[in-house]
Amino acid sequence: EIVLTQSPDILPLSPGERATLSCRASQSVTFKLAWYQQRPGQAPRLLIYDASNRATGIPARFTGSGSGTDFTLTISSLEPEDFAVYYCQQRYDWPITFGQGTRLETK
Amino acid sequence: EVQLLESGGDLVQPGGSLRLSCAASGLSFRGYTMTWVRQAPGKGLEWVSAISGSDGTTYYIDSVKGRFTISRDDSKSMVYLQMNSLRAEDTAVYYCARRDLASGLGFDPWGQGTLVTVSS
Repeated sequence: EIVLTQSPDILPLSPGERATLSCRASQSVTFKLAWYQQRPGQAPRLLIYDASNRATGIPARFTGSGSGTDFTLTISSLEPEDFAVYYCQQRYDWPITFGQGTRLETK
Repeated sequence: EVQLLESGGDLVQPGGSLRLSCAASGLSFRGYTMTWVRQAPGKGLEWVSAISGSDGTTYYIDSVKGRFTISRDDSKSMVYLQMNSLRAEDTAVYYCARRDLASGLGFDPWGQGTLVTVSS
């Protein structure tokens, strides 16, 4: 099973700041990594697929990068609605696995 | 409106059974892989099972193999998760999601989830 480790667990920032979230895979997943956002009480939402492609309707302030084992989700300037939990997910091999999540909270 | 709607969650005793349903509307269903993902209270996301839209191949996480069965009815745009021999650790919100061909097989959209509680 491919293990995804996200860092940090909690990221305290203020609106307008830049957020950088990391996801490291236990083995190469090539480009087959996605990012999801989950707001409190809501279902997850697909943000980024195949490492760097924004899903439909996702604002340009969200950027994904990386390949192989190291990936990054960057939010260029935080909006109030961006404070949520973010998960990475690999589809390179079964079972599909998620990282443990990074909670983006207001400082 | 694009929608996945889960139902069937309930309180069940350990060792019991439950069948979850997911109804798709406003989106392409036939030919798409459908999945179930769960989230234990206060915890992260865990993929549980998937069923191919092309040939019906099924996939499961090890912890549910032999206990859970995923199935689909393309004529009704429905996907099901039959859960037997339930354990306390199966307690979670269960989400269904479609693997979207246009989004690199990312999970999109998701339903709102249905709560399964396994407790005596």
